[in-house]
Amino acid sequence: ELKVEQNPLFLSMQEGKNYTIYCNYSTTSDRLYWYRQDPGKSLESLFVLLSNGAVKQEGRLMASLDTKARLSTLHITAAVHDLSATYFCAVGMMDSNYQLIWGAGTKLIIKP
Amino acid sequence: DVKVTQSSRYLVKRTGEKVFLECVQDMDHENMFWYRQDPGLGLRLIYFSYDVKMKEKGDIPEGYSVSREKKERFSLILESASTNQTSMYLCASRTGLWWNQPQHFGDGTRLSIL
Repeated sequence: ELKVEQNPLFLSMQEGKNYTIYCNYSTTSDRLYWYRQDPGKSLESLFVLLSNGAVKQEGRLMASLDTKARLSTLHITAAVHDLSATYFCAVGMMDSNYQLIWGAGTKLIIKP
Repeated sequence: DVKVTQSSRYLVKRTGEKVFLECVQDMDHENMFWYRQDPGLGLRLIYFSYDVKMKEKGDIPEGYSVSREKKERFSLILESASTNQTSMYLCASRTGLWWNQPQHFGDGTRLSIL
């Protein structure tokens, strides 16, 4: 059974600092997604990672995937207040083209 | 841009009522999904539909049913609402042409069952 674990679940940090959110999963997968959710809003797709060693960057966010370690990281560089949100990773099930297993989410608060 | 529209942002119903949540997407997507989101649990899949009139159970289908009579519309039905179905409900859609593409979400319906 595929399980997805994110940590930390809550993170409060100062502007200008760097930090990393981790997403571990328990069985083989061929696709991993990162989403962002602002309070009271919908989920917005950030990154799609499909292969071992994949790295994608958008502004101050960078996501990477290590399929051998079953680990993805979302790195925040020089955090700014606008990045405050809840971040989710979701991992595709190998025996389904449709189903994703979601992490519990990391609530990130960046203080000015 | 993909637009996924859920009919209500907030809904209050009573136990035992039959409740309908509606979702419409405008991108001709084949696949549509219903999730519920509860604090600390992430998103859990209730049902999905890979094409018109086709549906599959997700991880927590008990107490729910779905309907997809038209490609753009996917309805979630709570047959007899109970208080443990109080939650945020999210609808999503995705193209069926490329299975690794991300899902696109609506704004959610916050449902309270009294």
